[in-house]
Amino acid sequence: EVQLVESGGGLVKPGGSLRLSCAVSGFTFRSYSINWVRQAPGKGLEWVSSISSSSSYIYYGDSVKGRFTISRDNAKNSLYLQMNSLRAEDTAVYYCARAGEGGSYFDYWGQGTLVTVSS
Amino acid sequence: QVVLTQSTSVSASLGASVKFTCTLSSGHSSYTIAWHQQQPEKGPRYLMKVNSDGSHTKGDGIPDRFSGSSSGAERYLTISSLQSEDEADYYCQTWGTGIRAVFGGGTKLTVL
Repeated sequence: EVQLVESGGGLVKPGGSLRLSCAVSGFTFRSYSINWVRQAPGKGLEWVSSISSSSSYIYYGDSVKGRFTISRDNAKNSLYLQMNSLRAEDTAVYYCARAGEGGSYFDYWGQGTLVTVSS
Repeated sequence: QVVLTQSTSVSASLGASVKFTCTLSSGHSSYTIAWHQQQPEKGPRYLMKVNSDGSHTKGDGIPDRFSGSSSGAERYLTISSLQSEDEADYYCQTWGTGIRAVFGGGTKLTVL
């Protein structure tokens, strides 16, 4: 069974940092691109970042570029999101999602971890 | 940059059928899109991808009640024999130029 489990969310002050993790199982992690997608309270889905299977290709949404860093450890079947200079508007549930064949859609999602940025 | 447009909400009766529409912006009518379901307080779930020719590929365990189709710049998700657990938000998604994923605003389904 494919599973993606996020962790690391919590309450952080504006300007602070947080590191999210996504532990995966049930598939060959090193063969797939993985994404972070977030959802602000009561809002829709927003793509955050993508990393290819070997970390050769990394992309970010405009709203997080320069502040967030995506990475992965294929030996540990884990994905990470380092979030710096956090703002109130980064408050959201953060999901990791596997990219399907061809990489243009998401075929498995985690259950999410909540990040709250507030003083 | 591609934009996906969805209606805000739709309602339908238990046992009936409902059709969701996702409209691709001008110049992007050949794009494949994916449909995702998000039940209340849960993470999204991939339902299927729908190609421009109307062919679709469903995710693991998605019931036959769910189907996809296409016409021009519109991509559709149809749910037949509506059940109470189908009450959810439904999002379409594609991969745009400039290497980024794009989501529609989502449609909230109320099952009466």
